[in-house]
Amino acid sequence: AQSVTQLGSHVSVSEGALVLLRCNYSSSVPPYLFWYVQYPNQGLQLLLKYTSAATLVKGINGFEAEFKKSETSFHLTKPSAHMSDAAEYFCAVSDRVGSNYKLTFGKGTLLTVNP
Amino acid sequence: EAQVTQNPRYLITVTGKKLTVTCSQNMNHEYMSWYRQDPGLGLRQIYYSMNVEVTDKGDVPEGYKVSRKEKRNFPLILESPSPNQTSLYFCASSLVYGGRTGELFFGEGSRLTVL
Repeated sequence: AQSVTQLGSHVSVSEGALVLLRCNYSSSVPPYLFWYVQYPNQGLQLLLKYTSAATLVKGINGFEAEFKKSETSFHLTKPSAHMSDAAEYFCAVSDRVGSNYKLTFGKGTLLTVNP
Repeated sequence: EAQVTQNPRYLITVTGKKLTVTCSQNMNHEYMSWYRQDPGLGLRQIYYSMNVEVTDKGDVPEGYKVSRKEKRNFPLILESPSPNQTSLYFCASSLVYGGRTGELFFGEGSRLTVL
């Protein structure tokens, strides 16, 4: 079965600094991978997705992620943090488990941006 | 506008009083799913549905029921709610392609408190 591990439940950066949120996955087949963002009192919004095309994926709000098969990783980065980036971020992997076309989520990383 | 709509957004109820959380999507998606979100546990799948009249259990189905009589609707039913079902619930939908789900589109969430 697939699984997702997000390293660091809480990451704190200064405004303008690099954002790096780590995600490692396991999957029995080539994965589809996703990053979602959740702002307070809101649902989850897709940031970007990898579906076996280019390994470097660009998303909304200046975020990007690189799929590295050898490291089973899909880390999320942004060169310069903005105050509005403060939110919780979830990595997810899509796979088929029996008849269930399922997205499995990591436990989330809360990003704090300090002025 | 493409969206997943959940109701109610907030609900406080008492142990044992049956309740239904409705979910409707207007994107003609085959796949729909319910997740619950709890601090430190991320999102866990409750039930999913591949299409009309096809539903199955996710990771945490105990105490919940679902039905899929129409493609657009996927209500979550708590026959006899208990305090451990106090949580934030999300409905989501997706197209299915390449043998797995694509990106999930999420509703805004329903915060349920069971006293």
